[in-house]
Amino acid sequence: AQKITQTQPGMFVQEKEAVTLDCTYDTSDPSYGLFWYKQPSSGEMIFLIYQGSYDQQNATEGRYSLNFQKARKSANLVISASQLGDSAMYFCAMREVGAQKLVFGQGTRLTINP
Amino acid sequence: DAGVIQSPRHEVTEMGQEVTLRCKPISGHNSLFWYRQTMMRGLELLIYFNNNVPIDDSGMPEDRFSAKMPNASFSTLKIQPSEPRDSAVYFCASRPTRLAGGTDTQYFGPGTRLTVL
Repeated sequence: AQKITQTQPGMFVQEKEAVTLDCTYDTSDPSYGLFWYKQPSSGEMIFLIYQGSYDQQNATEGRYSLNFQKARKSANLVISASQLGDSAMYFCAMREVGAQKLVFGQGTRLTINP
Repeated sequence: DAGVIQSPRHEVTEMGQEVTLRCKPISGHNSLFWYRQTMMRGLELLIYFNNNVPIDDSGMPEDRFSAKMPNASFSTLKIQPSEPRDSAVYFCASRPTRLAGGTDTQYFGPGTRLTVL
């Protein structure tokens, strides 16, 4: 079964608009971590934001925030005031307690239009 | 601080040749991971080390793949003999010692793009 689902293969957004990238996950483990990574065209994987399953508040890092809805098992990434440099692939990932590896979704390709 | 360092950044080789990919984790990180990224399979874990010891190599595709971590600052992933289906981007990632209340974020290197002709 797919552990991480990103339903948007591609998104096109106007510069300065806010963007929400969807991510749903599947786990029976009560303790887990959720991550978002950015992969620009240059290829590197850049860590953006982390949310622990027991965190009471949604994580925020600058223009990035994570809309964590535990009951719905969703962990959407919100980018405020998008910039041209935000154009990239974005991956949602999960790590279950007791497992060391990150399980990644298939990614969403975000394109910011000027 | 230097991030995870990988070399080479690009490798083109012919089928049957041996390929060695190298990784230097972030200093002080005690866990190291090798991932492979392809269009068909996305990002998948090949192997990970904790304190230089291989813990889980269930993702290593077959005996042609081997990985070592002789010390805390160096790891290699070797493919011998290489095949065209091994063409992919190979990432190394490291993670710091988990502290109480801390996150377990993995930090990725820039990757090695391998092409096997």
